[in-house]
Amino acid sequence: QKEVEQDPGPLSVPEGAIVSLNCTYSNSAFQYFMWYRQYSRKGPELLMYTYSSGNKEDGRFTAQVDKSSKYISLFIRDSQPSDSATYLCASQFSGNTGKLIFGQGTTLQVKP
Amino acid sequence: DVKVTQSSRYLVKRTGEKVFLECVQDMDHENMFWYRQDPGLGLRLIYFSYDVKMKEKGDIPEGYSVSREKKERFSLILESASTNQTSMYLCASRDTPGHKNTEAFFGQGTRLTVV
Repeated sequence: QKEVEQDPGPLSVPEGAIVSLNCTYSNSAFQYFMWYRQYSRKGPELLMYTYSSGNKEDGRFTAQVDKSSKYISLFIRDSQPSDSATYLCASQFSGNTGKLIFGQGTTLQVKP
Repeated sequence: DVKVTQSSRYLVKRTGEKVFLECVQDMDHENMFWYRQDPGLGLRLIYFSYDVKMKEKGDIPEGYSVSREKKERFSLILESASTNQTSMYLCASRDTPGHKNTEAFFGQGTRLTVV
């Protein structure tokens, strides 16, 4: 079993839809949770991160962590064609090596 | 502007060749990583280094080795390339998190094809 599981999709939605992307993780020692966005033929870039449980909002994006159910979510409101990308969730132990464990990534297409 | 630079965007190598993938970062980060990315499998950690000359195996180190002689440079070596090593390879660097998370910065990737 992978430590971080993510449905690879693909997911296709119309412009303006609310998008929900989800991951589950198995290791309760994970403390940091991140979402990376990767455009085609580019490296991933950090979109959002949260520490422990709770919500974090940044514009149209909301990241949510529920440690009791080991569930990580990313919500995109008013989705735009420019949001079309692969979204990768990642988790990390609290420690010094900075080793990130990634999910499989979900490919999202937002159609105009 | 922070930068992680991988030496090649595309490489084609023959089975059995020794292949070097180079990665350079200009942010003075302690931690550097090599991942491979395959459809449906996401990013899988091959090796990482938390200091010069220090390295640790990731989840899939077989068939690979690494070298970190200088802080800014982290090399991935395929000792004898095989077709199942055809993949996208991504290098990343990151400052030591401590008690706060820090962002991992990725290079643009090297698409390696082994024929």
